Amino acid sequence: EIVMTQSPATLSVSPGERATLSCRASQSVSSNLAWYQQKPGLAPRLLIYGASTRATGIPARFSGSGSGTEFTLTISSLQSEDFALYYCQQYNNWPSFGPGTKVDIK
Amino acid sequence: EAQLVESGGGLVQPGRSLRLSCAASGFTFADYAMHWVRQAPGKGLEWVSGISWNSGSRGYADSVKGRFTISRDNAKNSLYLQMNSLRAEDTALYYCAKDRYSGSYADAFDMWGQGTMVTVSS
Repeated sequence: EIVMTQSPATLSVSPGERATLSCRASQSVSSNLAWYQQKPGLAPRLLIYGASTRATGIPARFSGSGSGTEFTLTISSLQSEDFALYYCQQYNNWPSFGPGTKVDIK
Repeated sequence: EAQLVESGGGLVQPGRSLRLSCAASGFTFADYAMHWVRQAPGKGLEWVSGISWNSGSRGYADSVKGRFTISRDNAKNSLYLQMNSLRAEDTALYYCAKDRYSGSYADAFDMWGQGTMVTVSS
């Protein structure tokens, strides 16, 4: 089983600032890494797949990078609607999720 | 419009069984692997089980292996999760999710249902 970790657990950011979220896999997952956003009471929404490809309709301020075991999600200029929970997921084998990073307002 | 609609959740006693269903519409269900993902109250996402497009590959999280069984009926555009020997720790919102890419058995999930709540309690 591939174990995913995320840091930090909580990230406090002011609107308009950059947010950088990290995700690490316990073994290489190549580029088989996705990022999701989840808001209270809603299902998760796919943001990034293939480590760096934005899903349909996702704004350009969201970008992903990395390969192997180290990955990053960057939100270039936080908007009010971006304050949410973010999960990474590997799908190199049967999937597994990280524990999540909460992005809240500073 | 493409959508996934889960059903079958409810309150069940420990040790009992429950069967969840997921009805798919608006896309070619038979082309895609499908998954169950759960989220305990106030907790993160946990992948539970997945099944390839043709049911040839099935996977389970260690936490449910031997107790849960995933299946699908492509003629009915439906996904199922048979949950036996339920425990309090299985209490969660259960989501049905679709692979983004057809033909694989695991990919990013580009479509999610609204979830169905399972509560295991005496």
